[in-house]
Amino acid sequence: KNEVEQSPQNLTAQEGEFITINCSYSVGISALHWLQQHPGGGIVSLFMLSSGKKKHGRLIATINIQEKHSSLHITASHPRDSAVYICAVSQGNLIFGKGTKLSVKP
Amino acid sequence: DGGITQSPKYLFRKEGQNVTLSCEQNLNHDAMYWYRQDPGQGLRLIYYSQIVNDFQKGDIAEGYSVSREKKESFPLTVTSAQKNPTAFYLCASSTGTSAYNEQFFGPGTRLTVL
Repeated sequence: KNEVEQSPQNLTAQEGEFITINCSYSVGISALHWLQQHPGGGIVSLFMLSSGKKKHGRLIATINIQEKHSSLHITASHPRDSAVYICAVSQGNLIFGKGTKLSVKP
Repeated sequence: DGGITQSPKYLFRKEGQNVTLSCEQNLNHDAMYWYRQDPGQGLRLIYYSQIVNDFQKGDIAEGYSVSREKKESFPLTVTSAQKNPTAFYLCASSTGTSAYNEQFFGPGTRLTVL
């Protein structure tokens, strides 16, 4: 069993839709990271969470430590949001999920 | 601009040849990492270095070697002992190896072994 599970694996949305990507993990962690991988392969860090909720622009990330679950929400989605979103948990080194491929159609 | 550079973006090698992937950062970060990404899989840690002249094996170090002679540079050598070297390789750096440190990633090198 993978230590970090993401759902869905693939997601297609229409522009403007509200999007939710889920991440569940089975290990004790100190922090959880959400990353975005662009089609060219480059990765940028979106959020680092150890509790509660964070918001940056149209992106919102939440974490429930007791339930070992985190969600990444995108409001008013746009085609430029199309990317792979990766959840990673940290006990020191990062353990990565397989990613969720999001495609937003105009 | 501060950042991490990896070169080249695409690399082709014949089977049995060693190849070295470069990673340079000007962020003054102490820690550097090498990851491998395969289709349908999460990133996996190959090696990491917390400080100059020190490095540790990650989860899949077999067939790889690294050096950390300078703070800015962390080259990865893919040796002929690596059984399936074709993959996308990502280098990252951070100020430290704490769970709370954000990692900054390079653009990656796609290695194809023919």
